[in-house]
Amino acid sequence: EIVLTQAPATLSLSPGERATLSCRASQSINNYLAWYQQKPGQAPRLLIYDASDRATDIPARFSGSGSGTDFTLTIGRLEPEDFAVYYCQQRGIWPPTFGQGTKVETK
Amino acid sequence: EVHLAESGGGLVQPGTSLRLSCAASGFSFDDYAMHWVRQVPGKGLEWVSGISWNSGTRGYADSVKGRFTISRDNAKSSLYLQMNSLRVEDTALYYCVKSMGDLYDAILDSWGQGALVAVSS
Repeated sequence: EIVLTQAPATLSLSPGERATLSCRASQSINNYLAWYQQKPGQAPRLLIYDASDRATDIPARFSGSGSGTDFTLTIGRLEPEDFAVYYCQQRGIWPPTFGQGTKVETK
Repeated sequence: EVHLAESGGGLVQPGTSLRLSCAASGFSFDDYAMHWVRQVPGKGLEWVSGISWNSGTRGYADSVKGRFTISRDNAKSSLYLQMNSLRVEDTALYYCVKSMGDLYDAILDSWGQGALVAVSS
């Protein structure tokens, strides 16, 4: 199965700063990568699918890029509500798998 | 608005069985594949199982294959997970999740709040 490695494990930033999160796949998954946001006590929420398509009602400050094995989630300017854990997930090769998560915390 | 409500979680002993249910509303249930994803509290996400819109195709993680069975009743807009031979390592919050399309699309666009399963002696 595909292993997704997210980096860094924790990102310490201030509101207004730019966040760049990485996800690397153990083999090519084309562009079949999604990103999810999870806040404490809540279910995950789909942000980005197929590497760069924003899900419904997701603000434009969230953007995704990449293909093959290397992917990036960028949060343009961090809002207070963006501090959370972010997971990547691939659907390119069955079964679907998730990365271990990146926590974006307040500096 | 999509709404997914899990039920059936609880505390059980190793080796026993449990059945989770998920009641869906706010969308045409029989148009979409559905999945179960679990999360050990404080840890990451693990895909468990998925089922196509017409139950024709089902998939399982290796960790649950042969022990768990996914099913659905489109007339009742409900998804189920029958969990047999439960192990301590099955302890987790189990999410019912809607797929954006068919089973192998696996774009998980709506999530329930989860049902907690605890396996302990």
